[in-house]
Formats: sequence, C-alpha cells, structure tokens
Amino acid sequence: SAVISQKPSRDICQRGTSLTIQCQVDSQVTMMFWYRQQPGQSLTLIATANQGSEATYESGFVIDKFPISRPNLTFSTLTVSNMSPEDSSIYLCSMGQQGNRFGNQPQHFGDGTRLSIL
Amino acid sequence: DQQVKQNSPSLSVQEGRISILNCDYTNSMFDYFLWYKKYPAEGPTFLISISSIKDKNEDGRFTVFLNKSAKHLSLHIVPSQPGDSAVYFCAASGTGGFKTIFGAGTRLFVKA
Repeated sequence: SAVISQKPSRDICQRGTSLTIQCQVDSQVTMMFWYRQQPGQSLTLIATANQGSEATYESGFVIDKFPISRPNLTFSTLTVSNMSPEDSSIYLCSMGQQGNRFGNQPQHFGDGTRLSIL
Repeated sequence: DQQVKQNSPSLSVQEGRISILNCDYTNSMFDYFLWYKKYPAEGPTFLISISSIKDKNEDGRFTVFLNKSAKHLSLHIVPSQPGDSAVYFCAASGTGGFKTIFGAGTRLFVKA
C-alpha cells in the first residue's frame, strides 16, 4: 500500500503564528483528506484536498483558518493560521483511492503532527 | 451530535483472553463500517471492515459483528496479545455521500 510521509511530526508554536504541515504520498492518489484529533476526541474531518482546485471544507472549518494546497496528486499542505491554544491537536492527513468523495474503502493515514500552542 | 459512539474509553484484558470493543451509531444511512488501530505517535491503520449486507466478518484473530437493528457493532480479538495494546477507532460511512465518521476510540491494554 502507499506510504504517506507527514511532517513535522510535532511542533510547539507561539500564539498568533502559523504553521504549515506537509503530506507526501509515494504514489498518485485520488483523494487526500485532512483530519484533526483534539485531546480525547474522535478524528474530525477538516477538509478534502482537491488537486488543482480549492479544498472542500466541512462545517465549522474555513479556508482562512486552514488554507490547504494540493498542487499535484502526491502532495498536499495544511496551514493552521493565527494559532491559539484551542488549536492544540493532532493533525493527520489521509488518502483514499475511490472516486466517490467518501467511498466505501479504508483510508491510509500519515503519522500525524502533534501541535502545541503556547 | 456524535453519530458514532465508543462508550468505553479504555479496556484491560489478560493475554490469551477475548477482547470485545463496542461501537454504537445513530445514522441508519451508514452502510459501511471500519475498525482502525492506532499506536502512539503513529497514524491509524485499517484493521477490518464490514458492509451492512453482512452481520459478521472475520480476519484471523479479528472478527467484527454488526447488528443493524440495534445499530451496534463490535470487534472481537481472540486470543488477545500484548501487541494488540493500542487505541481502536470505530468508523462508519455510506455510499450516499456520507463522510466517514469516527468514534472517540477505546484504549485496549492487554496484560501479559
């Protein structure tokens, strides 16, 4: 199966700054997703990263706060902008191969980025 | 509104015994269910899935049972091994364009 590399693995950031998380897949994939896992909570979908067009955001998430890029079928970035302590979470990218936006196939996840905001 | 619930945040089991992890869902439109396993500092990895047309799916030591009328599924691990100690996420999705919804996870401890 495809290998997903996500970096950084962790970071500690100052309030008000922004951080960009990178996700690289070793083969072309149709679907890439970004999730957030807040402490003690489930994985929550932030957005679907669309190649060559604007990402599709879920309710409660906006582009100004979480801008996403996907310049090709193997790479995507998520930026967490103007960070506050409430943004302290694990951020994960994942991939799926189905054309259906959510499909009936398992996803493959990166190892996540543990972000702490001071 | 939590559409997928894992009511037990943790579970402790003796090595060699059966581990049973439970999951409840509320949306009757879900028709595909998955279990993921997550070790510390790693991303979730797919473990086993089941379609709503089945009530059981087995893969080695892992079996998932689905009770559609009760909107309940469970993961059985037999026999449990110390390497099974991890967080297990239940997830549900649907072909009708429903996104995958994850539960909050259950942390399994298998004691040697």
